[in-house]
Amino acid sequence: QSVLTQPPSVSGAPGQRVTISCTGSSSNFGAGYDAHWYQQLPGTAPKLLIYASNNRPSGVPDRFSGSKSGTSASLAINGLQAEDEGDYYCQTYDNSLNDHYVFGAGTKVTVL
Amino acid sequence: QVQLVQSGAEVKKPGASVRVSCKASGYSFSSYDINWVRQASGQGLEWMGWMNPFSGNTGYAQKFQGRFTMTRNISIATAYMELSSLKSDDTAVYYCARREVIPEPHFDYWGQGTLVTVSS
Repeated sequence: QSVLTQPPSVSGAPGQRVTISCTGSSSNFGAGYDAHWYQQLPGTAPKLLIYASNNRPSGVPDRFSGSKSGTSASLAINGLQAEDEGDYYCQTYDNSLNDHYVFGAGTKVTVL
Repeated sequence: QVQLVQSGAEVKKPGASVRVSCKASGYSFSSYDINWVRQASGQGLEWMGWMNPFSGNTGYAQKFQGRFTMTRNISIATAYMELSSLKSDDTAVYYCARREVIPEPHFDYWGQGTLVTVSS
């Protein structure tokens, strides 16, 4: 059972917009900690996609955007492309645990 | 450019130990914590612990305390993780990741992963 709750899967046609939610609690997002998102394409290592809720590292297309409100965060992919198919994980810090860093269980994005 | 290059796949028997290395390049090794994250086949990411290469200080996820050790060799910019008393459910891909703290802690660069298989 992950501390952060994500939908197991989302899907969309090429060009569509999809969003992935990440629900936390008062000990992580609600305490003011930011959301970070990682993309894991099949057979590869995770890659930082969004940090501090809505910042993109250099090289990440602006089709990807993030937001956070209260105890939840979300990732949006605009103009979905076939190459976006993979798993997406949210991550944050939690102050209720000895395990400082927590991940969501991941969301599989399928491009129809 | 920043790179983290991990050692190759390992096959171990139950009860044995495994050591995985993570060689850093392209930045000041001592300036960023190294974290370890594992992923069982078809499963999500599981944070295991952190190490400050400068001080050698470490922090461990509760689940792994007692059988998980992180060390480093600053002269060759390499971090190590060792997991002992291996069980079949330790079979996973193990990743090292660099922790950036600005503006908040996140993992900005990852190694390619090392598959550890525990099987009799």
